[in-house]
This record gives sequence, C-alpha cells and structure tokens, in this order.
Amino acid sequence: RKEVEQDPGPFNVPEGATVAFNCTYSNSASQSFFWYRQDCRKEPKLLMSVYSSGNEDGRFTAQLNRASQYISLLIRDSKLSDSATYLCVVPSGAGSYQLTFGKGTKLSVIP
Amino acid sequence: DVKVTQSSRYLVKRTGEKVFLECVQDMDHENMFWYRQDPGLGLRLIYFSYDVKMKEKGDIPEGYSVSREKKERFSLILESASTNQTSMYLCASRSWSNSPLHFGNGTRLTVT
Repeated sequence: RKEVEQDPGPFNVPEGATVAFNCTYSNSASQSFFWYRQDCRKEPKLLMSVYSSGNEDGRFTAQLNRASQYISLLIRDSKLSDSATYLCVVPSGAGSYQLTFGKGTKLSVIP
Repeated sequence: DVKVTQSSRYLVKRTGEKVFLECVQDMDHENMFWYRQDPGLGLRLIYFSYDVKMKEKGDIPEGYSVSREKKERFSLILESASTNQTSMYLCASRSWSNSPLHFGNGTRLTVT
C-alpha cells in the first residue's frame, strides 16, 4: 500500500449536496492527521486537524478509522466556495517528523 | 497568526545558475520544510530541518541543498539549476512533531 492514497476525483456536485472524501494510509503508528484545502495556484491551507477519532467544524467533519487506516472528510451543504483541491496529510518517517501529502481530491461545486 | 514568508513569488533563472530560495517564519517554530509541487505528482518533500543547523533529506533531495543557520530562516539552494527543477516551491514550518504545517505562499521557479 502507498503511504497515502486519495481518490483524485474530480467530484462534481451541486450546491447543497453532501460529499465525502477518503484517504488511506499505510503507517499504523501515525498519531495526527490533517486535511488541507488548496485553491488553484495558491499554497495549501489547513482545514482540519484530526488527533483522535474525529473532529467537527461547522459543515466539515473529519473522521479517523485506525483499524482500517483511513481518514475521511465530509462536507455538508456544499457551497460554490468549497470548490478546491483537498489534501490529506499523514506523518511518516522515523519520529514522524515528515509529513506525507496525498495527491489531492478535486472538488467542483456546481450552481 | 503564523506568518511564513518566501522571498520571491516568481523567479526565472537560467540553466546552470545557482539559485537561493529564502524562507522566514515568525513564530519560533522548531521544524521547517521545503516541498516542491508539480501537476500529477503532488507535494514532495525535498529537505526538512527539526532544529538550527540540523537538516534531513526528504524524498527528492538530489540537486538541492539547504541551510538553517538561524531558527527563523530556512534556505533552499539549487546548486546548478536545471530545467527539470522548474516547479512551485513551498516552504512550511510547524512548532512540534504533531502540529500542522503552515505554508508560505510559494515561489514559482522557471529554469530556462
């Protein structure tokens, strides 16, 4: 299994829809995980941190399943402004100093 | 708010030139990172540093070196730029090993 795998999409959803992305990882020792959002030609920006079983912030919910080694991101009531690429990030390497990024899932929210 | 500043937004260099990319963070973070991002390949780690004067190779260190003489500054050096180093370069920092990364706004380097 690759270190971090994401479905590249694209996911094209109508406004108001609920959409979910999954990210699988191979390092079972990983403790903390992150979801980032990246707009076209911009730097990634932190969306959510996931340190235990899950985290919720408004319309966004991140969940962690350690047994199956995946994290998920759920977006409810999608807005046009949610259109972006979503990157999952997993610690890797000795001491977990390194962070490995998935290649990203592209979301387009359509009017 | 954490601020990570990269010295140039856009840079054009010639093949064979020595190129310096500078990154400064203002939050006294221990760890600093250099990534490059290319279409279809995602973000790939070039080098990282977990403390002053410490450096570790990432996944693609060939053709690059780094310098961390002060805690707030992490420099990426392309010893002899080549066209395959045309890319978006992203610097990031974080305070400790389980905290998230904070990115600079990137340097888009073109080597001709």
